[in-house]
Amino acid sequence: EPEVTQTPSHQVTQMGQEVILRCVPISNHLYFYWYRQILGQKVEFLVSFYNNEISEKSEIFDDQFSVERPDGSNFTLKIRSTKLEDSAMYFCASSTAGRDTQYFGPGTRLTVL
Amino acid sequence: AQTVTQSQPEMSVQEAETVTLSCTYDTSENNYYLFWYKQPPSRQMILVIRQEAYKQQNATENRFSVNFQKAAKSFSLKISDSQLGDTAMYFCAFMKDGANSKLTFGKGITLSVRP
Repeated sequence: EPEVTQTPSHQVTQMGQEVILRCVPISNHLYFYWYRQILGQKVEFLVSFYNNEISEKSEIFDDQFSVERPDGSNFTLKIRSTKLEDSAMYFCASSTAGRDTQYFGPGTRLTVL
Repeated sequence: AQTVTQSQPEMSVQEAETVTLSCTYDTSENNYYLFWYKQPPSRQMILVIRQEAYKQQNATENRFSVNFQKAAKSFSLKISDSQLGDTAMYFCAFMKDGANSKLTFGKGITLSVRP
């Protein structure tokens, strides 16, 4: 069964460094999302992406964040200058259409020191 | 804006018993979708069940079923014949009808299944 994959599974970085989190959505999916979950808290929406454009972004998704689909398979989330409060689990999700069920990847645990 | 409330922080159930997890939501939308996702200790988010608001029939998936009460804005999950592998965090989520809609999650409930 096709699934969303994410790399790396765990990323440790120093405050102020740039990180890129990678996702490979399910191959026939057209809608892509990033969510984050700070430990012990609920899952929060960051951004949605369709047709090579951001469709919606949350207040969390400020100008330190960016997303890109550099080729036909990868979908990336970049944090330009990480802060301690960026430490969280980051989930990528994809769906065939905007109304369809979103399928999640296994997540990337980001630790900012 | 939509909100999703899961007021029970944790529950425990004996293996093979039935348990119901509660969820309420608030929205002014008429068409929308509701979901339950499971998050085991591995922290992967796994879809359990989906309900379309325009459908009166409650969704079922094997041992999992929902009680969807649109007027009361209530969406509970019933797990029958609980298994040890059901031990996980369960999140209720809302998605409004429309292109590219985001999921809005509740705080989640920790379910422990006792042997």
